[in-house]
Amino acid sequence: DADVTQTPRNRITKTGKRIMLECSQTKGHDRMYWYRQDPGLGLQLIYYSFDVKDINKGEISDGYSVSRQAQAKFSLSLESAIPNQTALYFCATSDGHTDTQYFGPGTRLTVL
Amino acid sequence: AQSVTQLDSHVSVSEGTPVLLRCNYSSSYSPSLFWYVQHPNKGLQLLLKYTSAATLVKGINGFEAEFKKSETSFHLTKPSAHMSDAAEYFCVVSDRRSSASKIIFGSGTRLSIRP
Repeated sequence: DADVTQTPRNRITKTGKRIMLECSQTKGHDRMYWYRQDPGLGLQLIYYSFDVKDINKGEISDGYSVSRQAQAKFSLSLESAIPNQTALYFCATSDGHTDTQYFGPGTRLTVL
Repeated sequence: AQSVTQLDSHVSVSEGTPVLLRCNYSSSYSPSLFWYVQHPNKGLQLLLKYTSAATLVKGINGFEAEFKKSETSFHLTKPSAHMSDAAEYFCVVSDRRSSASKIIFGSGTRLSIRP
C-alpha cells in the first residue's frame, strides 16, 4: 500500500464551489505539506504543518485553507474555487530530521 | 535568501548516451540539496540527496550528483540513459536551520530519451 495517499485523484468543479482535497499517510511523520504544481513553475508551497497544533502558510496560501485532523491526515480546502486554481496538487510528508519529502500521487483539479 | 535554478527546461539524449541535468543554487547557509524525479501521472520520488557528507552522491537507477561549493552547483548525471529515465527532474535546496518555507524547488527539467 502507498505510504502517502490523496483523494480524489481527479476532480472537475465549477467556479465558486467549495472543494476539499484529502491526504493520509502511514509513515508516522509529523510534518505534512501541500504543494501546487503548474507547468514550468516547479512546486509552490501552499501550507505546511509540523504537528497537529502547528499550521503555517506557505508562499501561495491565499484562497486556500487547511485542517490537520490527526497526525496522519491533512486536508486542503478551496472555499470558493476559481479557474486559476486549476493545477496538480501534491501532499508530502517528512520526518523532521532531514528535509527528505515523500509525496503522494497528486490530485488533478480543474475549475471551470 | 535561497534559490535554485535549473538551467535547462528540456534535455533530449539518445538511449545509451550520458545524461547531464544542470542545477545551480544560492544559499546563505550550508544547504541540503536533493534531486527528485516525476514520471508521468506520478508523484515525486527522491533520487538522491546531499547533506554535508561526501560531495559525490550516488542515487537510485544509476544517477549521481556532485556538490561543488565553489561553483554553487549540484548537477545530476548518468553514464548511460535508458528509455525509462524519461521524466521530469526537480532540483531542490533547503536550509535545515530554517522552516519548511525554505524548501525551494527548481522549475524542473524534462528529460526525453531518443531510441
